[in-house]
Amino acid sequence: AQSVTQLDSHVSVSEGTPVLLRCNYSSSYSPSLFWYVQHPNKGLQLLLKYTSAATLVKGINGFEAEFKKSETSFHLTKPSAHMSDAAEYFCVVRTGNQFYFGTGTSLTVIP
Amino acid sequence: DTAVSQTPKYLVTQMGNDKSIKCEQNLGHDTMYWYKQDSKKFLKIMFSYNNKELIINETVPNRFSPKSPDKAHLNLHINSLELGDSAVYFCASSQLPRTGGINNEQFFGPGTRLTVL
Repeated sequence: AQSVTQLDSHVSVSEGTPVLLRCNYSSSYSPSLFWYVQHPNKGLQLLLKYTSAATLVKGINGFEAEFKKSETSFHLTKPSAHMSDAAEYFCVVRTGNQFYFGTGTSLTVIP
Repeated sequence: DTAVSQTPKYLVTQMGNDKSIKCEQNLGHDTMYWYKQDSKKFLKIMFSYNNKELIINETVPNRFSPKSPDKAHLNLHINSLELGDSAVYFCASSQLPRTGGINNEQFFGPGTRLTVL
């Protein structure tokens, strides 16, 4: 069975400090992994995706994620938070035609 | 150019009414989805169509009926609206792996905020 666990429902960081949003997955197959961001009252936008070409994936707006098969993790990081990063973040696993969404992590950035 | 579009953006209606939400994608994808996002931001898959064929039909009241006239459109019709139907509904599209869509992501529409009074 496939599932996605986002370990923190809320994360608060100060502007300029690093961001870490955690995601663990379980999958019977080689998964495709994605991170999406949803700003208030907006749709979901793709931040980055794991395509099996490289375990460290770079995305938009300075975000990165590292695929660690041994830990079944795909944590999202950013070296320095910006006020505009405040949003909801979703980790997603795809197997075949099914997409499995995590419950989301709300990121607050404190000025 | 909008990749996935939904209309209307906002929908306010009374309990018991029937309403429809339309979705169109111009990406040439073969698969489309409807999701419901509740007030806690949980995203729940409702339906998925591949080339006009229903492939995912989660546990959703039969008051909800999707319709796909062609692979670029997936509409959602809701009968006898209830208070609990209030949510944001998102349409999305993607390409299936067997048709060259390995690792392809979903593209989401801007959402339709439905409020049932």
